[in-house]
Amino acid sequence: AQSVTQLGSHVSVSEGALVLLRCNYSSSVPPYLFWYVQYPNQGLQLLLKYTTGATLVKGINGFEAEFKKSETSFHLTKPSAHMSDAAEYFCAVCRGTASKLTFGTGTRLQVTL
Amino acid sequence: GAGVSQTPSNKVTEKGKYVELRCDPISGHTALYWYRQSLGQGPEFLIYFQGTGAADDSGLPNDRFFAVRPEGSVSTLKIQRTERGDSAVYLCASSLGIRSSTDTQYFGPGTRLTVL
Repeated sequence: AQSVTQLGSHVSVSEGALVLLRCNYSSSVPPYLFWYVQYPNQGLQLLLKYTTGATLVKGINGFEAEFKKSETSFHLTKPSAHMSDAAEYFCAVCRGTASKLTFGTGTRLQVTL
Repeated sequence: GAGVSQTPSNKVTEKGKYVELRCDPISGHTALYWYRQSLGQGPEFLIYFQGTGAADDSGLPNDRFFAVRPEGSVSTLKIQRTERGDSAVYLCASSLGIRSSTDTQYFGPGTRLTVL
């Protein structure tokens, strides 16, 4: 079975500060990894994904994530937070030939002035 | 272009009633997924269609839940004898279906189901 753990259900940062949202996965085989963002009253939107190749993945809105197999992690970062980044962020995995996504419980990001 | 649409956006029903939730995927997407998101949780997989057939229905919680996609486009999630525990946001997603495990899944805004 595979699972996803997101440490910190709520994260608060100041505008302009570094954003770090943590994601660890457990999987018996290398997974495919995704980060989605959910703005209030909107559907989930893909930020970035790792499938194969370069382990540092760049996504939309200045976000990036690094796949670290040795740490079974896929943490999401952004150098400088903006007020518009306030949302809920979900890490997800898809293993092997399976098509279903397994999501973490989400991290709500608050950005303060 | 148009994204994934879901109707209704909100549905309130009474315990024991039957409900249908509709999903219109992005045109040309052969893969369609249903997920359920309870308050404070991440989405949980329910069922996956490739074309008209259910390729994986392992996430359906019990036989009160059923989904169809008769023409390989629109899908309907059907819940019989609703229970209060069925209250959640039901999300639909679609993808190209070329290599489903890595394809990007595009999500609709969801249907919020409340069972009184």
